[in-house]
Amino acid sequence: EGQLVESGGGLVKPGGSLRLSCEASGFSFNSYWMHWVRQVPGKGLVWVSRINIDESTINYADSVKGRFTISRDNAKSTLYLQMDSLRAEDSALYFCARNVIKYSNSGGYYYYYMDVWGKGTTVTVSS
Amino acid sequence: QSVLTQPPSASGTPGQRVTISCSGGSSDIGSNTVNWYQQLPGTAPKLLIFNNDQRPSGVPDRFSGSKSGTSASLAISGLQSEDEADYFCSAWDDSLNGWVFGGGTGLTVL
Repeated sequence: EGQLVESGGGLVKPGGSLRLSCEASGFSFNSYWMHWVRQVPGKGLVWVSRINIDESTINYADSVKGRFTISRDNAKSTLYLQMDSLRAEDSALYFCARNVIKYSNSGGYYYYYMDVWGKGTTVTVSS
Repeated sequence: QSVLTQPPSASGTPGQRVTISCSGGSSDIGSNTVNWYQQLPGTAPKLLIFNNDQRPSGVPDRFSGSKSGTSASLAISGLQSEDEADYFCSAWDDSLNGWVFGGGTGLTVL
């Protein structure tokens, strides 16, 4: 089914940088779009960014646009999130998730979902 | 403030049927399919329902999803103690060009 393991979280001062990694195993990483999703403990899920197979399509949430950069190394089966100009409100548990794309023949449309999630890595931005 | 609106809490007794609503708009639920995730305390989210009403293998048929217009619902029948978790709805938003989630509904099994 596949497994995702995040790493790279930690404590960083406001304005600082951090790079998160998400190592994939058990599936063909280079066949899947990938996402980063974050969650403040006790709060809801917030989508951060997504990337397609060859990095030609990348999207960000407005809250991180211009500060975060998503990338991937298919040879290493690893997804990254470079986080710059960090703010206190970026403090959260960061999950990576695998994206599935399917086509509904009966409905004539594509549908998407995140089917495999990592356990997350914690980012704390504080002075 | 989440784009999709869910009740913050729901509850039921073992064996009961519980429904959780998820309300959105024309650019998210109204235009795209809805997924539901279950998050047990201290764990990562788990896919529960995709494409509005489909269950991944391994998810009991006690869980069902539906969508109508700009709203969706998750129903859990035959409630069990292990169903106590947070439940999140999600959809792609064509206007934001990103995924949106509901704020989550914490389910308590009394």
